[in-house]
Amino acid sequence: DIVLTQSPGTLSLSPGERATLSCRASQTVSYTHIAWYQQKPGQAPRLVMYGTSSRATGIPEKFSGSGSGTDFSLTINRVDPEDFAVYYCQQYGSSPHTFGQGTKLEIK
Amino acid sequence: QVQLLQSGPEVKKPGASVRVSCKTFGYTFINNAISWVRQAPGQGLEWMGWVSTENGNTHYAQKFQGRVTMTTDTSTGTAYMELRSLRSDDTAMYYCARASWWELEASLDYWGQGTLVTVSS
Repeated sequence: DIVLTQSPGTLSLSPGERATLSCRASQTVSYTHIAWYQQKPGQAPRLVMYGTSSRATGIPEKFSGSGSGTDFSLTINRVDPEDFAVYYCQQYGSSPHTFGQGTKLEIK
Repeated sequence: QVQLLQSGPEVKKPGASVRVSCKTFGYTFINNAISWVRQAPGQGLEWMGWVSTENGNTHYAQKFQGRVTMTTDTSTGTAYMELRSLRSDDTAMYYCARASWWELEASLDYWGQGTLVTVSS
């Protein structure tokens, strides 16, 4: 199984700052099949990014994704209060489609 | 609009089985596969498997092989997940999620609201 390791575990930022979340895979991810999901307390996850760098429907341009091979990242320019949540990366290039353990983006 | 509506919370005893339903709305059911993901209390997300809504083919995570069955009913646009031989560590929120297309290699673009399954004696 591909293990995804996200860092940092918790990221404390002030509104307006830039957030960079990392996701490292134990093996090369096929066809950059990496997705990112946002989950707020008591809610289901929401797709933010797919195919490494394609924004999902309704996701603003301040979200961007990059990476290849085993190293991927999600960047949020100018974090807003509604962006504070837990973010999970997922690889869907090989089964099982594993998730990272999550990065909690919290208000500083 | 696309919606996935899951069945209500369940409380089961160890060794029992549970069946969770996921009724879909707002799109053509057979165009997108369905995956199931669970989340234990306070923990991260765990992918359980995938079912094709086109032909019923399934792909399960090894961890759940032999204990899980995922099915679909194209006449009602509903997906089902049955988990057997329940243990206390199966206590979790179970989510169905729509795959972005019909293939296995797909992100999950719409999610159900979750079904809490509690396993307790």
